[in-house]
Amino acid sequence: EIVLTQSPGTLSLSPGERATLSCRASHTISTNHLAWYQQRPGQPPRLLIYDASITATGISGRFSGSGSGTEFTLTISSLEPEDFAVYFCQQYDDLRTFGQGTRVEIK
Amino acid sequence: EVQLVQSGAEVKKPGESLQISCKGSGYYFRSYWIAWVRQLPGKGLEWMGIIYPDDSDTRYSPSFQGQVTISADRAFSSVYLYLENLRASDTATYYCARQSGSYWTHFDFWGQGTPVTVSS
Repeated sequence: EIVLTQSPGTLSLSPGERATLSCRASHTISTNHLAWYQQRPGQPPRLLIYDASITATGISGRFSGSGSGTEFTLTISSLEPEDFAVYFCQQYDDLRTFGQGTRVEIK
Repeated sequence: EVQLVQSGAEVKKPGESLQISCKGSGYYFRSYWIAWVRQLPGKGLEWMGIIYPDDSDTRYSPSFQGQVTISADRAFSSVYLYLENLRASDTATYYCARQSGSYWTHFDFWGQGTPVTVSS
């Protein structure tokens, strides 16, 4: 099973700042089979990025994904109030697993 | 418009069983994999398993194999999650999610979630 470890657990930032979230895999993820989701309180997850770097339809360009192999990154270029939420990475290379999440909170 | 609509909140007693449904609409239901994901209160997401409604090909997470049953009914465009011998530790919100296309791809649409409470 591929284990995904996200860091940091919590990121405290101000609106307008840049957020950088990390997702590390225990085994190489081939063909960049990795996605990022945002979850706001009381809502289901929402797809942001798939195949490591492709922004999903309707998602703001301030969200971007990068990385390959075992190291992946989600970047939010300039935080808007609605971006303060929890973010999960997920691999679909070997069955499916999620990271434990990174909470982005207002500083 | 693609939609996944799940059955409503449930309150059960320990030892009881439960079936949650997820009905798809707005797309050709039988051709897209549907997964179930558990979220314990205040915790992260856990992938439970996945089914292809066209032929009911089903794969389970090792963590949930033998603990849950996933099924599909093409006639009702629905996928089901069956849990038996419920325990307090099964208290969670359960989501269904559609995969975008092939087997090796992401979840593009999610159900609204079904909160389940198990308490004596």
